[in-house]
Amino acid sequence: AQTVTQSQPEMSVQEAETVTLSCTYDTSENNYYLFWYKQPPSRQMILVIRQEAYKQQNATENRFSVNFQKAAKSFSLKISDSQLGDTAMYFCAFMNGYSGTYKYIFGTGTRLKVLA
Amino acid sequence: EAGVAQSPRYKIIEKRQSVAFWCNPISGHATLYWYQQILGQGPKLLIQFQNNGVVDDSQLPKDRFSAERLKGVDSTLKIQPAKLEDSAVYLCASSSGAASTDTQYFGPGTRLTVL
Repeated sequence: AQTVTQSQPEMSVQEAETVTLSCTYDTSENNYYLFWYKQPPSRQMILVIRQEAYKQQNATENRFSVNFQKAAKSFSLKISDSQLGDTAMYFCAFMNGYSGTYKYIFGTGTRLKVLA
Repeated sequence: EAGVAQSPRYKIIEKRQSVAFWCNPISGHATLYWYQQILGQGPKLLIQFQNNGVVDDSQLPKDRFSAERLKGVDSTLKIQPAKLEDSAVYLCASSSGAASTDTQYFGPGTRLTVL
């Protein structure tokens, strides 16, 4: 069974600094997708970034980028130039690309606080 | 484009009562998901629909939880009777269902408190 582990329950970062959130996963599959979702205090989950396992190039979305290490089964999120609006819970999620059910498995989340 | 709509946003009930949640997915999205998010945890999939058929309900406590997706669009999730441990946020999400565009879009959730 696939599992997703986020080992940092809470983190804080100064505004304008860079922070990295870690995520590891376990799977025997070769085709899968990885996601980072942000959940602000209002609760609506928003997709931050996604990575297809078959792509070697790390995904980037503006200030957000990932370090995808397939062999190590690691998928960390880097937030550059942190802003107060980045304060939220961040969830790493895994999806099996073969199953056809497109089922997400979420980690337990990292609570990020950006300090002014 | 309108997002995923859910109602109610909050619900407080006594244990052993019943409750129902409603979800309207993004227009055209074939796949609809219900998640349970207990405080301090990540969302856990309860049930997944593809159009109006159930794809995965392996983690749905079927003795008390039920769900349906009317005509492949709206969906309702029901709990009867509720237990204290059902206190959680219930999230609905939808996706187009195509493998290459399978990002899930989430609604604002319904916070259920069982007393």
